Amino acid sequence: EADIYQTPRYLVIGTGKKITLECSQTMGHDKMYWYQQDPGMELHLIHYSYGVNSTEKGDLSSESTVSRIRTEHFPLTLESARPSHTSQYLCASSEPLKGGNTIYFGEGSWLTVV
Amino acid sequence: KNQVEQSPQSLIILEGKNCTLQCNYTVSPFSNLRWYKQDTGRGPVSLTIMTFSENTKSNGRYTATLDADTKQSSLHITASQLSDSASYICVVSDRGSTLGRLYFGRGTQLTVWP
Repeated sequence: EADIYQTPRYLVIGTGKKITLECSQTMGHDKMYWYQQDPGMELHLIHYSYGVNSTEKGDLSSESTVSRIRTEHFPLTLESARPSHTSQYLCASSEPLKGGNTIYFGEGSWLTVV
Repeated sequence: KNQVEQSPQSLIILEGKNCTLQCNYTVSPFSNLRWYKQDTGRGPVSLTIMTFSENTKSNGRYTATLDADTKQSSLHITASQLSDSASYICVVSDRGSTLGRLYFGRGTQLTVWP
């Protein structure tokens, strides 16, 4: 059972609002990731972190920002939400991938911007 | 270009039947290949992980195979159950970077009918 949690699970907000999606893991993993997934499509990496105070942008350009002040916490923020941000956002964590370690995903946060 | 292609895109089978899902990849240099199960509206859950030297791995009724020479993998589901209805995602990791980059397929949507 994965110990990685996302909140909120579902959210509907108005255009222009600021939103923070929370992600926490209790496995002590250094590596954490944010993926964006539209229905029926593949996951796209938007942000990742090697550890505390380390964040990098992923393959898919995103207007969101992230922070990693604590190992267990990796929140994602949209300063001004737009309808194009409507999607599912998945947080994940892992040990080093080269070792073939498991990547654990959260349950996802479904964001709808109206 | 590193890619992961899955087939079929969708599949409907009757409960109790077997099925095989395919994954072809062009990711190089190859590190490992993972199969995930993603229920609708949930985060992906790991089924199997295979490294270069492994050509088969089982997890209950799920058996994954890997042919690193032809860059193909398959996921065989035996005696399907209604709860197997989900999207099955093939994920390939490279070893060309510290991060161990992940490449996601779009998934095969499996529906099991009673």
